[in-house]
Amino acid sequence: AQSVTQLGSHVSVSEGALVLLRCNYSSSVPPYLFWYVQYPNQGLQLLLKYTSAATLVKGINGFEAEFKKSETSFHLTKPSAHMSDAAEYFCAVSRGTGFQKLVFGTGTRLLVSP
Amino acid sequence: DAGVIQSPRHEVTEMGQEVTLRCKPISGHDYLFWYRQTMMRGLELLIYFNNNVPIDDSGMPEDRFSAKMPNASFSTLKIQPSEPRDSAVYFCASSPQGHGELFFGEGSRLTVL
Repeated sequence: AQSVTQLGSHVSVSEGALVLLRCNYSSSVPPYLFWYVQYPNQGLQLLLKYTSAATLVKGINGFEAEFKKSETSFHLTKPSAHMSDAAEYFCAVSRGTGFQKLVFGTGTRLLVSP
Repeated sequence: DAGVIQSPRHEVTEMGQEVTLRCKPISGHDYLFWYRQTMMRGLELLIYFNNNVPIDDSGMPEDRFSAKMPNASFSTLKIQPSEPRDSAVYFCASSPQGHGELFFGEGSRLTVL
């Protein structure tokens, strides 16, 4: 079964520093991969998605992720963190006949200090 | 443009009571999903519908849980009887074509005492 593993339940960075959130997937077939963000007391919001087109995917708020088949990874990065980036980030893989079912990782909480 | 609307936002009830959570998806979206979020288990897919028809309910934890979608603009998730272990945030999400692009509501936080 397809799944994702997020390394690190918490990541702390300083404002202006590089953000790197790690995600590895297990899949027997090329997956659709996603990053979602959840701000406190809100629902999840799509940041970006990979659907087997370009391996480098750009999303909202300056985030991007690179699909690396050789490493089965889909890490999320942002060159310079803002205070407003503090949130929980979820990597997800979709499966099912039409890729409708979304399976989420356990999430990584990003803390940004001044 | 209204997003996914869930009600109630907060519900506190006693064990054994019936709980009904409601969801209005985004107009024109063909897929509707119910997820549950807890600290211990993370985000779990409970059930999803396509064009009002339940497609996969394998995530529904037990017979106490039921979900319906009587029309394209309304869905309910019912728990009867409720138990303390059902305490969680329940999210409804809709999608125009599936493929993992979900639009989430703000969630219903359920506390069962």
